[in-house]
Amino acid sequence: KAGVTQTPRYLIKTRGQQVTLSCSPISGHRSVSWYQQTPGQGLQFLFEYFSETQRNKGNFPGRFSGRQFSNSRSEMNVSTLELGDSALYLCASSGGNYNEQFFGPGTRLTVL
Amino acid sequence: GDSVTQMEGPVTLSEEAFLTINCTYTATGYPSLFWYVQYPGEGLQLLLKATKADDKGSNKGFEATYRKETTSFHLEKGSVQVSDSAVYFCALSDQTNTDKLIFGTGTRLQVFP
Repeated sequence: KAGVTQTPRYLIKTRGQQVTLSCSPISGHRSVSWYQQTPGQGLQFLFEYFSETQRNKGNFPGRFSGRQFSNSRSEMNVSTLELGDSALYLCASSGGNYNEQFFGPGTRLTVL
Repeated sequence: GDSVTQMEGPVTLSEEAFLTINCTYTATGYPSLFWYVQYPGEGLQLLLKATKADDKGSNKGFEATYRKETTSFHLEKGSVQVSDSAVYFCALSDQTNTDKLIFGTGTRLQVFP
């Protein structure tokens, strides 16, 4: 089985712009979660989607949003980018087996 | 709320040394516990897991036992290799928030020949 894929792998944006990141889960997995990883805050949960519905949401501002499509692929969007949004954004998919999640390689976002 | 506390790094060891990375947790309910590993420039890989008290997770020579009485899930390996150099994350998932993981801050392991 192919693993979780994320595109693009690297992205450079400037403050005020918006960005969309994409995640394709492992075939058959219906749950997709997103995490932000920064040196200062570590790994923080953004949100989780299951069957096109947001099931859980972390403590991030409304500038961070996401969606899931009928094929389970997911996108996250960050609007009005700030310097502090520079991070590695990780996507994980799960087939529901004891919460075991499989992570993609991440998208490294740099905001200038 | 739920939380995970890991020992600060970096942990620096010589090849074939014994490894322990401490992890304790605070949670309501009965969480599942995980260790993930992150190699440079990569995402997270699940190393091992335990889903109930007294379970022992093991993989690639690494082991961790779910200790409910001490709320701990310490990672151990009897003989580390240079290739084990990475950042290790302890995590829990709440049974009610099925796919949300709460991570510790990570512990960097450096193994020298």
